[in-house]
Amino acid sequence: DTGVSQNPRHKITKRGQNVTFRCDPISEHNRLYWYRQTLGQGPEFLTYFQNEAQLEKSRLLSDRFSAERPKGSFSTLEIQRTEQGDSAMYLCASSPPEGIRGTEAFFGQGTRLTVV
Amino acid sequence: AQTVTQSQPEMSVQEAETVTLSCTYDTSESNYYLFWYKQPPSGQMILVIRQEAYKQQNATENRFSVNFQKAAKSFSLKISDSQLGDTAMYFCAFKRGTYKYIFGTGTRLKVLA
Repeated sequence: DTGVSQNPRHKITKRGQNVTFRCDPISEHNRLYWYRQTLGQGPEFLTYFQNEAQLEKSRLLSDRFSAERPKGSFSTLEIQRTEQGDSAMYLCASSPPEGIRGTEAFFGQGTRLTVV
Repeated sequence: AQTVTQSQPEMSVQEAETVTLSCTYDTSESNYYLFWYKQPPSGQMILVIRQEAYKQQNATENRFSVNFQKAAKSFSLKISDSQLGDTAMYFCAFKRGTYKYIFGTGTRLKVLA
């Protein structure tokens, strides 16, 4: 069990460019979450996958954001036409099926995005 | 809508002393889960302790314990025998339904040598 892995750890991009982040959850976890954390704030929910199905998207996730989880394994979060307001830490988390090993989410180390 | 409030932006404690971090939440649900997560400078959120609302007994994990007051919707974290490695941001979180976690704004804890 290597934990939740996120790549890249840091990304600096110019405004208007597209970026893609990857998350590899813990292998037996079927639930996957994306959160965004800005400086001085707690993580804010972006979206949730159960297996390959995206079951909820926050209103924070504008049309420029898209997330996928093909085959219910790794997930990608893409931001198109980045804006300076997109600068944040993007956290991925996963958890096992409900009822197994409790209910906590296991987090990755995050991808810090800086839009210049 | 569920909210989680942490009213202490920063706290400090002397090494080996005890500190309590406060958290209040608002919900109309009767069964739910509450968590405290620690986020060191590396950025990774690490679970410290969790509490199931239907359990009256307060959760304990080694030096960490909670005071869960369901009627008051209060969920405080007590850290005993504070260690330098406890220095971090601490987030209180409420799990709504089967998957959505709602986090507070965090308390920055500094343990002083």
